[in-house]
Amino acid sequence: DTEVTQTPKHLVMGMTNKKSLKCEQHMGHRAMYWYKQKAKKPPELMFVYSYEKLSINESVPSRFSPECPNSSLLNLHLHALQPEDSALYLCASSQDTSNYGYTFGSGTRLTVV
Amino acid sequence: GESVGLHLPTLSVQEGDNSIINCAYSNSASDYFIWYKQESGKGPQFIIDIRSNMDKRQGQRVTVLLNKTVKHLSLQIAATQPGDSAVYFCAEDGAGSYQLTFGKGTKLSVIP
Repeated sequence: DTEVTQTPKHLVMGMTNKKSLKCEQHMGHRAMYWYKQKAKKPPELMFVYSYEKLSINESVPSRFSPECPNSSLLNLHLHALQPEDSALYLCASSQDTSNYGYTFGSGTRLTVV
Repeated sequence: GESVGLHLPTLSVQEGDNSIINCAYSNSASDYFIWYKQESGKGPQFIIDIRSNMDKRQGQRVTVLLNKTVKHLSLQIAATQPGDSAVYFCAEDGAGSYQLTFGKGTKLSVIP
């Protein structure tokens, strides 16, 4: 298995909702990443997990809460989002944080209404 | 940094021609560079990489050139095909920061 799988592919949520994005990989990668991508812009790093521990948080608002339950799974919990948080959320993984051969998932297209 | 605006730079090429996509990177201490291809509705896909101790690296139909003097990276695609139509991003490692920083992106449109 050489893929990163993200679910759901599309999500519409209200500003008072709580939802979670999920990411899964079975390549034995020990680094996992969350990126946010707005339309016509490059991906922007949000969080980095290394060996299931959060190693980088790029000053992301607390309404985004990452979780890494095990080496194969990465979640992003969403609460009280704003319409400007609407974007494509991409998950990626690599062997470790010193290896830049990232494998990206197809992303979750999030719309906040 | 430079303002991107609402529109991606676009390159239109005829099928069969060669394409050259350029990227200016920001950190002179960056050691590692990657080109990614992103098709509509998909995540970025690795194309080719290059380390700062190299000037050129070739893959299948693609070549990456690195000019460290002017902090410039280019991706050359030979015999461009309709399937090459996508947005192309360069990325740099930011001098061992253990994170990739993406450049602004260029949309390649291949005219059949």
